Amino acid sequence: EAQVTQNPRYLITVTGKKLTVTCSQNMNHEYMSWYRQDPGLGLRQIYYSMNVEVTDKGDVPEGYKVSRKEKRNFPLILESPSPNQTSLYFCASSLVQGDQPQHFGDGTRLSIL
Amino acid sequence: DAKTTQPPSMDCAEGRAANLPCNHSTISGNEYVYWYRQIHSQGPQYIIHGLKNNETNEMASLIITEDRKSSTLILPHATLRDTAVYYCIVRVGPIYNQGGKLIFGQGTELSVKP
Repeated sequence: EAQVTQNPRYLITVTGKKLTVTCSQNMNHEYMSWYRQDPGLGLRQIYYSMNVEVTDKGDVPEGYKVSRKEKRNFPLILESPSPNQTSLYFCASSLVQGDQPQHFGDGTRLSIL
Repeated sequence: DAKTTQPPSMDCAEGRAANLPCNHSTISGNEYVYWYRQIHSQGPQYIIHGLKNNETNEMASLIITEDRKSSTLILPHATLRDTAVYYCIVRVGPIYNQGGKLIFGQGTELSVKP
């Protein structure tokens, strides 16, 4: 089944403790992206990647890192999480060419205390 | 990308057709209309998209007016599981444009009632 898989689905942690949210897709998509969703602010793009080893900042990249060493994986790294990064995070993937839609994971709810 | 306007909320009786409108009067010739929905904090789910012709798939139908300034998403037989926020998004097709970012507006909160 074609899907975007995020792990963990839920995480409660403390300020400053490094964490990684994994994202994996099995559709051979070149493009992958991370969003965060906050009440009243909608979904905002954090980082995106057009292909392996190609990443770029979205609208709200501060405090986050990403890597794209393999086509299927696009982990989101919080080196020193802070409470303002408490949010619902979504990973998405798509083909680059054409008009094909983006497919989203089920989300990761992070709480930083 | 063109701005979209949707009603904030709508109700629909279970089993009836749900017709969700979207205005996109500034749409450009190369911009598609995409519809997604989000069921309570789950990941946005792609529904359907189109450029200028009407489209139908197993989930819904998309009707785009001839001048392309508005569109309607039709769920032919709404069920309780269709209760969600529905987003109409207008953007060019290729992802390499603007970092592939999807701009989710406020959407329409559809409540399907028994």
